[in-house]
Amino acid sequence: NAGVTQTPKFQVLKTGQSMTLQCAQDMNHNSMYWYRQDPGMGLRLIYYSASEGTTDKGEVPNGYNVSRLNKREFSLRLESAAPSQTSVYFCASSDYQTDTQYFGPGTRLTVL
Amino acid sequence: RKEVEQDPGPFNVPEGATVAFNCTYSNSASQSFFWYRQDCRKEPKLLMSVYSSGNEDGRFTAQLNRASQYISLLIRDSKLSDSATYLCVVDTGGFKTIFGAGTRLFVKA
Repeated sequence: NAGVTQTPKFQVLKTGQSMTLQCAQDMNHNSMYWYRQDPGMGLRLIYYSASEGTTDKGEVPNGYNVSRLNKREFSLRLESAAPSQTSVYFCASSDYQTDTQYFGPGTRLTVL
Repeated sequence: RKEVEQDPGPFNVPEGATVAFNCTYSNSASQSFFWYRQDCRKEPKLLMSVYSSGNEDGRFTAQLNRASQYISLLIRDSKLSDSATYLCVVDTGGFKTIFGAGTRLFVKA
């Protein structure tokens, strides 16, 4: 039982490049989330998906897009990376009953 | 004012010490409360949920004061393995979960 997996673990991009961060969960959770974590600021919600087929903006959605491909997978896309998007990105999932969020190991992204 | 505020620390304590962390939140309509633990360069993991009546899990005790809008975490008999960052988390419903910036704890031998 892998829980929440993310790929890649590390990535370096140049300004203007695009990339997609992948996330998958095997816990049959309905809800999935993308966060970014910056020093001293805590985790901030980028986008979330309450259930398969729906996505909504979080606190900091600008510069990102998401796709809920199926119940298991939720991807995050940076269309034109900027240095301000240098961060650690975490994917999480949860079920309705407990509200507990389970996190993936994170992707460390650097934009030069 | 941040929606969830924590003392960033770091707290440096010897093994065996008791240490307490506080967290305040601004939204009085908040519904669920949690403490997460995050080790260096790792993902956050749930430590415990926080209930109005208070709850205990081994050496860890969590308290909620809705009137004053604060949450606390008490760690007794600190172990070296307790060294981590502790995140206060508040859920206001509607998929709006707010994470505090965290309090760093270092437990020394």
